[in-house]
Amino acid sequence: NAGVTQTPKFQVLKTGQSMTLQCAQDMNHNSMYWYRQDPGMGLRLIYYSASEGTTDKGEVPNGYNVSRLNKREFSLRLESAAPSQTSVYFCASSSLPARGRFNQPQHFGDGTRLSIL
Amino acid sequence: GENVEQHPSTLSVQEGDSAVIKCTYSDSASNYFPWYKQELGKRPQLIIDIRSNVGEKKDQRIAVTLNKTAKHFSLHITETQPEDSAVYFCAASAGGSQGNLIFGKGTKLSVKP
Repeated sequence: NAGVTQTPKFQVLKTGQSMTLQCAQDMNHNSMYWYRQDPGMGLRLIYYSASEGTTDKGEVPNGYNVSRLNKREFSLRLESAAPSQTSVYFCASSSLPARGRFNQPQHFGDGTRLSIL
Repeated sequence: GENVEQHPSTLSVQEGDSAVIKCTYSDSASNYFPWYKQELGKRPQLIIDIRSNVGEKKDQRIAVTLNKTAKHFSLHITETQPEDSAVYFCAASAGGSQGNLIFGKGTKLSVKP
């Protein structure tokens, strides 16, 4: 039981290059999330997918696109990388709360450390 | 939208002392408040969480308290140990119940031997 798996772990890109970050979970969770983590800024939500077939913007979506490929996989794409997108990217997943019920814990992957020159 | 403020940003204590980290939130519809510990270069890991129908929860040396009226919640670590040194994040569930969390900016805790 691997939990949340992210690939790659490290990547260096040149400005203008494109890249897709992969995320897969084996916990049968409905909801998946992409965050970026910058020093002193905490975790900021880029995009999320509450369930298979749906995606929505989070706090900082500009410059990114996502695809919920199936229930297990949620990818994040940088179409034209910029130095401002240098960050650590975390994928997370959780069960979707039933209507009127409490939220569920989010489980994180190990992160992708992305540098854009 | 929801906003979560976390204080202090850094905290240094002597081994064996207690540490307290405080968070405030803005959305009265928030019903779930987790705390994550992140060691250097590692993933955030859930250490404790509390739901809005209780005021306090304890797990060994860690406890969380919630004051819904004042919209604040706190993490208490007793008998701190060097391995407690890490960055701690609080979070609050966002309105709409889609599972989203809004995170505080983190507290770097250093426990000196």
